[in-house]
Amino acid sequence: EAQVTQNPRYLITVTGKKLTVTCSQNMNHEYMSWYRQDPGLGLRQIYYSMNVEVTDKGDVPEGYKVSRKEKRNFPLILESPSPNQTSLYFCASSPPPDRVHEQYFGPGTRLTVT
Amino acid sequence: GQNIDQPTEMTATEGAIVQINCTYQTSGFNGLFWYQQHAGEAPTFLSYNVLDGLEEKGRFSSFLSRSKGYSYLLLKELQMKDSASYLCAALDSNYQLIWGAGTKLIIKP
Repeated sequence: EAQVTQNPRYLITVTGKKLTVTCSQNMNHEYMSWYRQDPGLGLRQIYYSMNVEVTDKGDVPEGYKVSRKEKRNFPLILESPSPNQTSLYFCASSPPPDRVHEQYFGPGTRLTVT
Repeated sequence: GQNIDQPTEMTATEGAIVQINCTYQTSGFNGLFWYQQHAGEAPTFLSYNVLDGLEEKGRFSSFLSRSKGYSYLLLKELQMKDSASYLCAALDSNYQLIWGAGTKLIIKP
């Protein structure tokens, strides 16, 4: 089954404790992206990757890191989480954007930072 | 700057028709997407328009006017399961998606 998976689905952590949210897709997509979603603000892009070893900042990259060592995986790293990073996070993948294709979203990770 | 506007919330009755509007301002334009998102779940693709006009897909239709920077999603024969948020997103000249904040649709019996 074609899918994007994320882990963990729910996470409660404390300020400053490093964490990683994993994202994996099995569709051989070149493009992957991380979003955060907050009430009233819609989806905001954190980072995106056009292919292996190619990553770029989105609209709200501060406080986050990503890596793309393999095509299927695109982990999101919070080196020192803070309460304002409490949010619902989605990973998405698709063929290259200039092929204009729908994005496939993972199920989401609900993060709470206390 | 780039911007997408859509109503925050709409209410409709089961069995009726509802139109959700979206206006966009982007640097260049390569099409417009509509996604459905149930509460706490991932967005799922509904439609894509790049040419002017109406595209029909079952109970859902999507319309685009490039000259007016305007799109709408039309939902017919509303069902309770259509209660969700509907996200409008425009693809700019760099093929980056610009997302609206979403319209929460409440269906009443």
